[in-house]
Amino acid sequence: GQQLNQSPQSMFIQEGEDVSMNCTSSSIFNTWLWYKQDPGEGPVLLIALYKAGELTSNGRLTAQFGITRKDSFLNISASIPSDVGIYFCAGAYNTNAGKSTFGDGTTLTVKP
Amino acid sequence: DGGITQSPKYLFRKEGQNVTLSCEQNLNHDAMYWYRQDPGQGLRLIYYSQIVNDFQKGDIAEGYSVSREKKESFPLTVTSAQKNPTAFYLCASSMRQAPYEQYFGPGTRLTVT
Repeated sequence: GQQLNQSPQSMFIQEGEDVSMNCTSSSIFNTWLWYKQDPGEGPVLLIALYKAGELTSNGRLTAQFGITRKDSFLNISASIPSDVGIYFCAGAYNTNAGKSTFGDGTTLTVKP
Repeated sequence: DGGITQSPKYLFRKEGQNVTLSCEQNLNHDAMYWYRQDPGQGLRLIYYSQIVNDFQKGDIAEGYSVSREKKESFPLTVTSAQKNPTAFYLCASSMRQAPYEQYFGPGTRLTVT
């Protein structure tokens, strides 16, 4: 089946630093999504992208849908302690109605 | 408040027993999903349902069963045939117009010994 490679696997940063993470696939997707999961909770949708090349922001978060449709990127600016958690990318293709493929996540630790 | 509820938060069972996990939503969403999450891994789709009385297998359906008798409810049964049932189980729902934008419940952590 389709697989997503998410990197880095983990990040340790200082408060105030910017963060970049990415997701790549061997297959093309029509939709890319980014979720954040706090420990022991369900993921929360951060950003949804529907068009190749699209750049979308949500507060300090910015995500991009890669031109090749095989990758996506998430940036977090000026990190704060509550940014700690696991960030998941997910890709979807229209013919798999509702079915998304998830990456293994990037675990972010922010040191005050 | 609208949302998805899963109960209980923690569940303990003996090997060989079937167990049913509850998922209820009051978001009026058409589609509902069950995922399994293991430590250090992403979410893997078990079953999903786009309308009442219809559901499809996901990527890891073996050893699981579901029903969708009501729009609001999508219970998951972990049967004794599931070889490695200990995991964190997440339920999600989405609107017909935006099926990939999924809203997740708080999860149920199942431990089978």
